Amino acid sequence: LAKTTQPISMDSYEGQEVNITCSHNNIATNDYITWYQQFPSQGPRFIIQGYKTKVTNEVASLFIPADRKSSTLSLPRVSLSDTAVYYCLVGAIDQGGKLIFGQGTELSVKP
Amino acid sequence: GAVVSQHPSWVICKSGTSVKIECRSLDFQATTMFWYRQFPKQSLMLMATSNEGSKATYEQGVEKDKFLINHASLTLSTLTVTSAHPEDSSFYICSARDVGREENQPQHFGDGTRLSIL
Repeated sequence: LAKTTQPISMDSYEGQEVNITCSHNNIATNDYITWYQQFPSQGPRFIIQGYKTKVTNEVASLFIPADRKSSTLSLPRVSLSDTAVYYCLVGAIDQGGKLIFGQGTELSVKP
Repeated sequence: GAVVSQHPSWVICKSGTSVKIECRSLDFQATTMFWYRQFPKQSLMLMATSNEGSKATYEQGVEKDKFLINHASLTLSTLTVTSAHPEDSSFYICSARDVGREENQPQHFGDGTRLSIL
């Protein structure tokens, strides 16, 4: 399973756009990239998933360059409630969905 | 969307007690579920893969006789922490994926079970 590397922490202010980049140099051909959000004492919550190029949903965008060795989660206009830990994971769906978590990025949004 | 439910959400018990945690997929079937453990300020650590109708697959360093996993139906997996001790106190989380829908569905996680052993 590909290993991921993310910044340990990031600070932002309300209303700003936040971009969290994740490195996954050893990503395999059939690996997907998935991002989760976790609040204290809760299970991770799915944010977005992609394979290549750009994916957008109602809460975030995911940018994946052509070489797929990194990805960037973009959160538009963050609010205080976006303060959480964000995990980038890489794994092959056809391997049963097994996911290995890295350390994640602790995002702190300030007023 | 897919929902995964855990029960109980919080349990406190005496040292030496065995504790069972349930993980249910509420609106889909899951042939595979996963169990994680998370200590304070740390990331999730995969403990084992629960396989419906067969033995669980444990990650290296996880004692299979300590953490018993049963996946008797397509919607339920249980994790039993046997003879629990204070060092087993942690946040236990399960996940599952809806394989019945279109491909490339993400894993969905339960809200976790806080286990405190006195």
